[in-house]
Amino acid sequence: GAVVSQHPSRVICKSGTSVKIECRSLDFQATTMFWYRQFPKQSLMLMATSNEGSKATYEQGVEKDKFLINHASLTLSTLTVTSAHPEDSSFYICSAQPGGNQPQHFGDGTRLSIL
Amino acid sequence: AQSVTQLDSQVPVFEEAPVELRCNYSSSVSVYLFWYVQYPNQGLQLLLKYLSGSTLVKGINGFEAEFNKSQTSFHLRKPSVHISDTAEYFCAVSVGGQGAQKLVFGQGTRLTINP
Repeated sequence: GAVVSQHPSRVICKSGTSVKIECRSLDFQATTMFWYRQFPKQSLMLMATSNEGSKATYEQGVEKDKFLINHASLTLSTLTVTSAHPEDSSFYICSAQPGGNQPQHFGDGTRLSIL
Repeated sequence: AQSVTQLDSQVPVFEEAPVELRCNYSSSVSVYLFWYVQYPNQGLQLLLKYLSGSTLVKGINGFEAEFNKSQTSFHLRKPSVHISDTAEYFCAVSVGGQGAQKLVFGQGTRLTINP
């Protein structure tokens, strides 16, 4: 149980392109979803917290106009990297929390490469 | 503010030997503690969690961890490791009370099992 599906797993695109990443909780409802960014050989850095039906809460230093987050339902959140540039290349991971004190369940990540 | 320190960035161990991955945290309030494992190019998988109750927590794949409040530690142990345990391990503490809880991650420990 508690499966989180993240799609796509890998994206390679040209600079200036916008890229959408989907995060779905397959067998539970997620009141809250989280988006992380991970640089090579480093830990996960929280980018934003997404609550269903409301605006996402961004961490300090994360550009909300650059990283658009939508959490339209209890099973789907999307991250759109707008006008992506090479410095946006990274491994993006989402997680979903069923609620209360339940642990977060993570997707398999999306490797984004901007040429 | 909460923080997590994983004292060893890399731990090489021979197969079938015991291993301990160290984790210390700082927090002024009660915390929930987690260990996650990350295999290459994948998301994070929950190994075990401490929410309350017994300080010795058993997880998947033969791992266990002990919560020590006086030493603010949550070290991960396994009595006999296998080649398949080679991965990156992250200790994390949750921030916040009821409801959605952010995770603060340690820097990660790369466990390498040698034959």
